Parts: sequence; C-alpha cells; structure tokens
Amino acid sequence: NAGVTQTPKFQVLKTGQSMTLQCAQDMNHEYMSWYRQDPGMGLRLIHYSVGAGITDQGEVPNGYNVSRSTTEDFPLRLLSAAPSQTSVYFCASSYQGDGYTFGSGTRLTVV
Amino acid sequence: SQQGEEDPQALSIQEGENATMNCSYKTSINNLQWYRQNSGRGLVHLILIRSNEREKHSGRLRVTLDTSKKSSSLLITASRAADTASYFCATEKGGTYKYIFGTGTRLKVLA
Repeated sequence: NAGVTQTPKFQVLKTGQSMTLQCAQDMNHEYMSWYRQDPGMGLRLIHYSVGAGITDQGEVPNGYNVSRSTTEDFPLRLLSAAPSQTSVYFCASSYQGDGYTFGSGTRLTVV
Repeated sequence: SQQGEEDPQALSIQEGENATMNCSYKTSINNLQWYRQNSGRGLVHLILIRSNEREKHSGRLRVTLDTSKKSSSLLITASRAADTASYFCATEKGGTYKYIFGTGTRLKVLA
C-alpha cells in the first residue's frame, strides 16, 4: 500500500537510552518531515528534508538527529532519551509541499 | 512560537449545522493547508489554498484566505458526526520549506 510507514508503533525507553524511529515512504516524495505532538501543543516540527542528502532543523531539534541517504527513508534518532521526549511522533512526506501524507505515528514513553 | 493559531480551540455543534474555524499566521506564505486528525490517528490533508487564491471549495469544505490580514477560515457545511475531529492549519514559514502547524481546533458534532 502506498503511503508513509512508521515503525515501531509503540516504544518504552529508559532515560538515557538511544533509539531510532523509522520512516519510509514509497511515493517518491522529495519532502519529508518529523513532528512531535504533545497534548495542547499541536504539532511541532523537529527536522525536515527536501531531498536525499539535505536536512535542516525545525522548531524543536535538540536531542534528535536525522539523515536522508535515500529518497524513501528518513529515520529519526534519539540520542539520549529524556522524559521530556515522551510524545507521539509523526513522519510525513510531500511532493514539493503540496499536501503532506502522514504516517500513523509512534507513541514513545520515556521513563 | 507557533506560526499558525487556530480559533476557537474547541467547538461543539449539532449535526447539520455549519462549523467555522479560523487560522491566523505571522509571516508571508506560499500556501496554507488544512488537515484533519481523528483521535489517535495521523493527520489527513483536506485542502490547500495558494497565496494568490481567495477562496477554494472541496465537497462540503470551503476555505478562504486573506493575505492582508494573514488569516484563513475553514467552513464545513452540513456537519456530520463523522466530522468530529481536530482540525489544523499549516503554513510554510517564509519560503524555508518548514511547514508549521497551529495548535488546532477540536470540533465535536453532536448527533
């Protein structure tokens, strides 16, 4: 099925652990973004990419790294998990910004 | 700070009534997009309006854009219980390829 696939759907981490959230799309979209959603805060942009090899910081990049080695994949790495990173994470992709397709999200809890 | 702010934060109406929600933004934009999010799900793109357009329709949705006031409105006509969701506007922040979301309007349609 065409779309944006995020894995895992749920994750519990201990403070200080690292992990990678996976995101893959099969629509040949150049634009990809990572957002986090906290209650009452809407979606906040973490990092984004406008093509393979090109990434840039969003509104809340601290504590996260990204890379974009292929058009299809855009993984998000948590370097040292903190309770403040407990959130729902969404990956999204778009053809030149004309409407984003979202994945179903990863619910992350850091204890 | 958020690029887009939706108003009202919450809205409760009867089935069959119209629902109007507003979005204000801060910087110049190329386009403005509206998304819907059902509880616990990823966002779904509804409609995009470009900066040189003033009004756009899609089914029961009507979007207006006033670039002089930096605001947009989303009208849902003849609402249904299935329209119950959160609605977000998103804008590209000043040609940066960063798509920033507002905090959303929670719409509840009572049957």
